Amino acid sequence: GAVVSQHPSWVICKSGTSVKIECRSLDFQATTMFWYRQFPKQSLMLMATSNEGSKATYEQGVEKDKFLINHASLTLSTLTVTSAHPEDSSFYICSAPLNRGYRNQPQHFGDGTRLSIL
Amino acid sequence: GESVGLHLPTLSVQEGDNSIINCAYSNSASDYFIWYKQESGKGPQFIIDIRSNMDKRQGQRVTVLLNKTVKHLSLQIAATQPGDSAVYFCAEIQTSYDKVIFGPGTSLSVIP
Repeated sequence: GAVVSQHPSWVICKSGTSVKIECRSLDFQATTMFWYRQFPKQSLMLMATSNEGSKATYEQGVEKDKFLINHASLTLSTLTVTSAHPEDSSFYICSAPLNRGYRNQPQHFGDGTRLSIL
Repeated sequence: GESVGLHLPTLSVQEGDNSIINCAYSNSASDYFIWYKQESGKGPQFIIDIRSNMDKRQGQRVTVLLNKTVKHLSLQIAATQPGDSAVYFCAEIQTSYDKVIFGPGTSLSVIP
């Protein structure tokens, strides 16, 4: 069964709206979670690393003020796309390592959130 | 930099045949590698992993081969089934850092 849950799975909203996506680890604690964006027929691009109790680490070219990340608990990270525009339409996926010492462990992925901005 | 795929390579195989999916990774310092399967509208699903101190690892119907000399990774699927149809990504990790870099992906289509 799924070990990482993402919600919502699909969002359609008007341009200018802010959208929050939740990523939850089920039955395990995740001090670190990762957020990816995937455009059609393309690979996953890491956007940021979400750290429980501290600031997220953003990849080069990702706007911190545009994509707000909050990792408020050991089982929940949220990604808020602020003032979303059509070019933000994409498939957003989160992941979490199952164990501490994650650098040598596979990450487990949520089922993604498809964001469509009209 | 990050690996970006603009055009997804495709592979079509007959049901029951073996499939081989190839991946060239970018960082010679990467020491951990994972193959993921992604079905339409879903997140990637772990298939098999291999560490750089190995050159072959087998799972159920799947085998991963690692050639560090040429920075090449392959996934072999035995007796391919329709349920294997998906996009397959290789991922490389340099475990002294925390970043996972995904390859461009290969779309596998199984012909019944």
